[in-house]
Amino acid sequence: DAGVIQSPRHEVTEMGQEVTLRCKPISGHDYLFWYRQTMMRGLELLIYFNNNVPIDDSGMPEDRFSAKMPNASFSTLKIQPSEPRDSAVYFCASRPRAYTDTQYFGPGTRLTVL
Amino acid sequence: GQNIDQPTEMTATEGAIVQINCTYQTSGFNGLFWYQQHAGEAPTFLSYNVLDGLEEKGRFSSFLSRSKGYSYLLLKELQMKDSASYLCAVRGNNAGNMLTFGGGTRLMVKP
Repeated sequence: DAGVIQSPRHEVTEMGQEVTLRCKPISGHDYLFWYRQTMMRGLELLIYFNNNVPIDDSGMPEDRFSAKMPNASFSTLKIQPSEPRDSAVYFCASRPRAYTDTQYFGPGTRLTVL
Repeated sequence: GQNIDQPTEMTATEGAIVQINCTYQTSGFNGLFWYQQHAGEAPTFLSYNVLDGLEEKGRFSSFLSRSKGYSYLLLKELQMKDSASYLCAVRGNNAGNMLTFGGGTRLMVKP
């Protein structure tokens, strides 16, 4: 299996622009997680999906952030408009089902908002 | 909610043993995980404890005491490639069994 795939790997944009991050989970995994990692706040869960349905988005910082999962093999995290404080590494992770041992992380997208 | 504490940084010498501690306070507990994260890379799974005691995996071991809210990761025969951040994460017993991560411990291995 190719593992969790994320694109782009790096994104540099200007404040106010829309940013879309993409994730392809491991085939057969029921859960998909979006995380954000910064030096100050560490690794934070933003939102997670179970069988393509958003379950908990309490970690989404504000209305500028939205996430979708139109099918089992694709998810997006969108920031509109972007701000410099959104600069971080965004990880997508997937997990087979509720009581498995671990979740598998994608390589991450390093976002820089100027 | 979850509150997870681990030291920010540690330094150790190649060939030595190092113990990275993690304490947690949680409203629900369903296992504790350790992840390794090299700079610029994604976290990768190292170990998992759900019952008290020691789990050994080669050079790495992880210990859990649920009554004390305490875990440690033990790395033996340190190698330079072990220089990385080590993240402690607690799995809750909520619907999605989500993980809450500690801030990570950055380990530097010196020759």
